[in-house]
Formats: sequence, structure tokens, C-alpha cells
Amino acid sequence: KNQVEQSPQSLIILEGKNCTLQCNYTVSPFSNLRWYKQDTGRGPVSLTIMTFSENTKSNGRYTATLDADTKQSSLHITASQLSDSASYICVVSDGNYGGSQGNLIFGKGTKLSVKP
Amino acid sequence: NAGVTQTPKFRILKIGQSMTLQCTQDMNHNYMYWYRQDPGMGLKLIYYSVGAGITDKGEVPNGYNVSRSTTEDFPLRLELAAPSQTSVYFCASIRRAGNEQFFGPGTRLTVL
Repeated sequence: KNQVEQSPQSLIILEGKNCTLQCNYTVSPFSNLRWYKQDTGRGPVSLTIMTFSENTKSNGRYTATLDADTKQSSLHITASQLSDSASYICVVSDGNYGGSQGNLIFGKGTKLSVKP
Repeated sequence: NAGVTQTPKFRILKIGQSMTLQCTQDMNHNYMYWYRQDPGMGLKLIYYSVGAGITDKGEVPNGYNVSRSTTEDFPLRLELAAPSQTSVYFCASIRRAGNEQFFGPGTRLTVL
């Protein structure tokens, strides 16, 4: 069964510190992996999209890595800010946009709290 | 561009009532999706559409219906609301396969 597992479930860090969130997946075939940021009470917003051939992708202070061999991804946040407090969701696409899952498999997310 | 808009933002229904959640996008996207997000759970796909006139079931379609008469609109219909349908509903769209997915702000629905 296609699954996306994220760890940790929640994380508290101090402002200015770095952190890394993990994502393991068993989706097959693999098309791309996405990281989303979801603020409380809002819809998810895309941070990065990586295909099979991309190992790393950055968006400002967010850097995502992908190891397609081990089926793992990580999201590294540098110099955290209070506004980084949100849930971070890992989503994997199997490329089958006409399939029963509409092609995107969502993880449950990691809830990050940045404290002053 | 307004992006993806959803109405209403909040709604309380009684068991057995019906309602339609509205979703509109102004980006000329082909693919549109409806998800529900329960507390502590990942988003689950209810229905999706790959173009006007074409819809298909996702992972959790029971109790819902959709239509896609235009590219812009993708309403979700709840018939005979049940407490198990209490959730936050998100509409999303993608222009074409592999592109960034845009989400609406969500509708928080409570069924009592």
C-alpha cells in the first residue's frame, strides 16, 4: 500500500535554531515529492517539488533533500523564525493523475512550534 | 488572480441536512480536487476532476457528490449529513500533471 510516514509528529525549537523534518515513503511508481507548509486554519502552501533526478532543492531558508534509493526525504529549516510555526506536510506523487487517489499521497505532517 | 476560493468558511449542519461546498479557481487549471482533513490525519481525497465534465472518486467518496460543468467551478455536495462528516474540507487545483498544487482556505464543517 502506498504510504508516506513523517517524523517527528511534533517538534518545539527556539527561534534562530535549525531543524530537520523527515519523510519516508513507499509509493510506487514514484513521480515527485512535495513539501507543503500549512499554517493553522489555512490551506497548505507548496514549498518545493522534487523529481526523481533531483537530490536537493531550496526555497529561501527551506532546503529539501531526496534520496530516491532509500525512499527518504528531509526538510531542513535554517535560522528558524516565529512565522515558521506550522505543520509541514510531505506529499508523494505516483504520477497517475487519473488514478483512484488522484495521484497524491499525503503524510500526516510534522507540527513545528518555534518559541522566542 | 484570486487563486482558489471556497465558500462558506464555516458551517454547522444538523444530521440529515444537505449542503453544497463551493470551490472556484481563476487560474484555468484542468485538475481539481476535494480533500478532507481530520485532526491529526493526512488529507484524504474525496473526489477529483481532470477536466470539465469528468469526475472520479477518490479514497473516501461515500456521502458526497461532485460535478464539474465548467473549468472554474467544482462544487462538493453533501447529502444527508452525518457526524462522521465533521471535518475541514479543502479544494485544490493543478494546471497540468506535475505542477504545483494550489489549495483554497478551507471550509470547517460541523455536523451535530
